[in-house]
Amino acid sequence: DTGVSQDPRHKITKRGQNVTFRCDPISEHNRLYWYRQTLGQGPEFLTYFQNEAQLEKSRLLSDRFSAERPKGSFSTLEIQRTEQGDSAMYLCASSPGRNTEAFFGQGTRLTVV
Amino acid sequence: GENVEQHPSTLSVQEGDSAVIKCTYSDSASNYFPWYKQELGKRPQLIIDIRSNVGEKKDQRIAVTLNKTAKHFSLHITETQPEDSAVYFCAAPPDGNKLVFGAGTILRVKS
Repeated sequence: DTGVSQDPRHKITKRGQNVTFRCDPISEHNRLYWYRQTLGQGPEFLTYFQNEAQLEKSRLLSDRFSAERPKGSFSTLEIQRTEQGDSAMYLCASSPGRNTEAFFGQGTRLTVV
Repeated sequence: GENVEQHPSTLSVQEGDSAVIKCTYSDSASNYFPWYKQELGKRPQLIIDIRSNVGEKKDQRIAVTLNKTAKHFSLHITETQPEDSAVYFCAAPPDGNKLVFGAGTILRVKS
């Protein structure tokens, strides 16, 4: 499968624990995005990378959230001290350039109990 | 920042009828307007997109129209089929990178 892949697909964690998600973009895409989607809403932008540089972070991304893309390939999104409000689908997408199609992964569904 | 409004929030049509979903955006810098379809439990997938130098684009039963002056664009689905039932999202990237999505339209095609 040469699409965007995310791991894990589902994660249940206790409040206060840390979680980390991984995204492997389409290999030739230099742009990688993280979005969060809650039930009944459109995806909300969290952050994006061009190669290994993190170029923008949304105000939604509190200091408990951190994202990396160390070699310009895969990316990780870490949430520290999870809260129930962090429960959502976390979607990763990649694209080859400006104003081009963003290809989405299947997402990681996080449930904080 | 960019604000994208989408309506209606739900739309029910009879199989074979047409469906129209409309979006407005606020940032005149946006030049690319994609539409995504998301089936239950699946990833959003692009179904059609349009760039600002074009007023209309068609792909079989799907078409998108763009009015840059009025800052609105619309998705048109003709001859709807049950498999068209899904949530549809419009989006605009004010900087050409991150997408700002509308809230979505739940389309139900009744057979």
